[in-house]
Amino acid sequence: QKEVEQNSGPLSVPEGAIASLNCTYSDRGSQSFFWYRQYSGKSPELIMSIYSNGDKEDGRFTAQLNKASQYVSLLIRDSQPSDSATYLCAVNSISNFGNEKLTFGTGTRLTIIP
Amino acid sequence: ETGVTQTPRHLVMGMTNKKSLKCEQHLGHNAMYWYKQSAKKPLELMFVYSLEERVENNSVPSRFSPECPNSSHLFLHLHTLQPEDSALYLCASSQVTSGTETQYFGPGTRLLVL
Repeated sequence: QKEVEQNSGPLSVPEGAIASLNCTYSDRGSQSFFWYRQYSGKSPELIMSIYSNGDKEDGRFTAQLNKASQYVSLLIRDSQPSDSATYLCAVNSISNFGNEKLTFGTGTRLTIIP
Repeated sequence: ETGVTQTPRHLVMGMTNKKSLKCEQHLGHNAMYWYKQSAKKPLELMFVYSLEERVENNSVPSRFSPECPNSSHLFLHLHTLQPEDSALYLCASSQVTSGTETQYFGPGTRLLVL
């Protein structure tokens, strides 16, 4: 069973601080990693993708990947109340049918406190 | 219309009803997906269609029947559902190339089975 693990939270962070979200995965063959944001009652929205070890920055968001440790994280700088949402980690793997598929974690609920 | 659209947005049905969920993507993608999202559980992949052929069925009960008439449209036909099938049903699409492609989600259909 290929798994993606996230701390379900809730994670509470003061406004303006750095929010750090973590994800581990079990499939060593995974090559593509995604972070989705999901507001309550809404569908997941892609915010970051990362494919190589190291950091990838996009505005206030930084994704970090360490394939040796099977670990991917998302940092949100200068957190805003609008960042309050559930963040889903998704990792690609090869399914039993031989095609690539995404496996999602349960998500971490983040609350930014004004 | 842009992106991925789904109808209806909300659906209440009895266990003996037959209904269909519709998804349409306006992104020119060649793969479409149905996911089920239940409270406190990861997104569950139900069906994958790539180039209009079903390539994955994650042991979904036969009371769920997908249909993909072309690369832009995807249906999920529902019949004799159970209360535990109440969930958010999400459609997604992607462009399949050589690696794992980014999936874009529709707004979802919130289904309640009485």
